[in-house]
Amino acid sequence: QVQLVQSGSELKKPGASVKVSCKASGYTFTRYAMNWVRQAPGQGLEWMGWINTDTGNPTYAQGFTGRFVFSLDTSVSTAYLLISSLKAEDTAVYYCARDGAVTGTDYWGQGTLVTVSS
Amino acid sequence: QTVVTQEPSLTVSPGGTVTLTCASSRGAVTSDYSPNWFQQKPGQAPRALIYSATNKHSWTPARFSGSLLGGKAALTLSGVQPEDEAEYYCLLYYGGVGVFGGGTKLTVL
Repeated sequence: QVQLVQSGSELKKPGASVKVSCKASGYTFTRYAMNWVRQAPGQGLEWMGWINTDTGNPTYAQGFTGRFVFSLDTSVSTAYLLISSLKAEDTAVYYCARDGAVTGTDYWGQGTLVTVSS
Repeated sequence: QTVVTQEPSLTVSPGGTVTLTCASSRGAVTSDYSPNWFQQKPGQAPRALIYSATNKHSWTPARFSGSLLGGKAALTLSGVQPEDEAEYYCLLYYGGVGVFGGGTKLTVL
């Protein structure tokens, strides 16, 4: 069965970096793109962008350029989200979500809470 | 800046029918925007319900249906159950860039 398992919660200080992982199983990793989605406390979902898992080419939404980097390690079927120069407003749950051209955005990871606090 | 608009909140009685809509600031929503719908309950990850405007996932209950209605994407729940109380989000794609709506809080009362 398809599963996306994300890394655990993180507590970071402002200015630090964090890397969130999303390990996929149950399907061929490179046949589906991976979306990243942010949800700040008590707020709605924000589409951050996606990465082509076949080519490694990322696409970032407005507001998620510069400090946010998507990457892959296809040898272990894992996608990564790196956030650098963390700010308090980066405090949120970050989700990965599989996307197929035909099947839409279907499977989601369980989410990773990143808390930025001094 | 593209804005996707949903009703902030709706209330429906158990067994009733309710339609949630998803509008685009760019005009009429078409299948080209690949409308997706998701359900999210407190403390849980979102769950996919509908893709490509009208297609259900294998796990989507039959009482949920998606359509394009009056220039918007729509999600209709028929025979609403208490467990349908949740936040619902639509997602539209504009040339490979996605934008979520603000969400609709559905209360079953």
